[in-house]
Amino acid sequence: QKEVEQNSGPLSVPEGAIASLNCTYSDRVSQSFFWYRQYSGKSPELIMSIYSNGDKEDGRFTAQLNKASQYVSLLIRDSQPSDSATYLCAVKVSTASKLTFGTGTRLQVTL
Amino acid sequence: EPEVTQTPSHQVTQMGQEVILRCVPISNHLYFYWYRQILGQKVEFLVSFYNNEISEKSEIFDDQFSVERPDGSNFTLKIRSTKLEDSAMYFCASSDPGRTYGYTFGSGTRLTVV
Repeated sequence: QKEVEQNSGPLSVPEGAIASLNCTYSDRVSQSFFWYRQYSGKSPELIMSIYSNGDKEDGRFTAQLNKASQYVSLLIRDSQPSDSATYLCAVKVSTASKLTFGTGTRLQVTL
Repeated sequence: EPEVTQTPSHQVTQMGQEVILRCVPISNHLYFYWYRQILGQKVEFLVSFYNNEISEKSEIFDDQFSVERPDGSNFTLKIRSTKLEDSAMYFCASSDPGRTYGYTFGSGTRLTVV
């Protein structure tokens, strides 16, 4: 069974701080890695994708990938209350294959 | 911004009834998917569909489920003889495999089986 593991949280950070979210995956042939944000009762919304080892930055978000360690992370700088949501890590093994999701980490940004 | 549209947003059905969930994928996308999320649990893959046939399905997607693309725009999930444990959010998604990005998800249908 190919798994994607995340700490369910909640992860609580004060407004303006950096939130660090982590994810590990078991399938070594995974090629594409995604972070989705999901507000309660809503659908997943893609916020970051990463395919190569290293860092990828997009605004306040930075995704980090280490294929040797089978580890993906998401950093959110200058966290805002509106960032409070569940963050889902997802992986797939090829361009058109299914996404396998982790259980998600609930982030709470406190005032 | 192109969207994946799902209808209805909420469906209540009696146990044993059949339901059809509808989706309109993004027009130039070629792959279509159904996922479900039971309350408090993770998003689970059900089925992928390409070129008018199922390309992959999970162990959840048994004979109770079927998918169809009845015309050039709609993509449907049929659940026969619904059970209480089918209550969940059902998400449709589509992707263009020629581009390396994640799927676009629809807003979901909340299915409640009573």
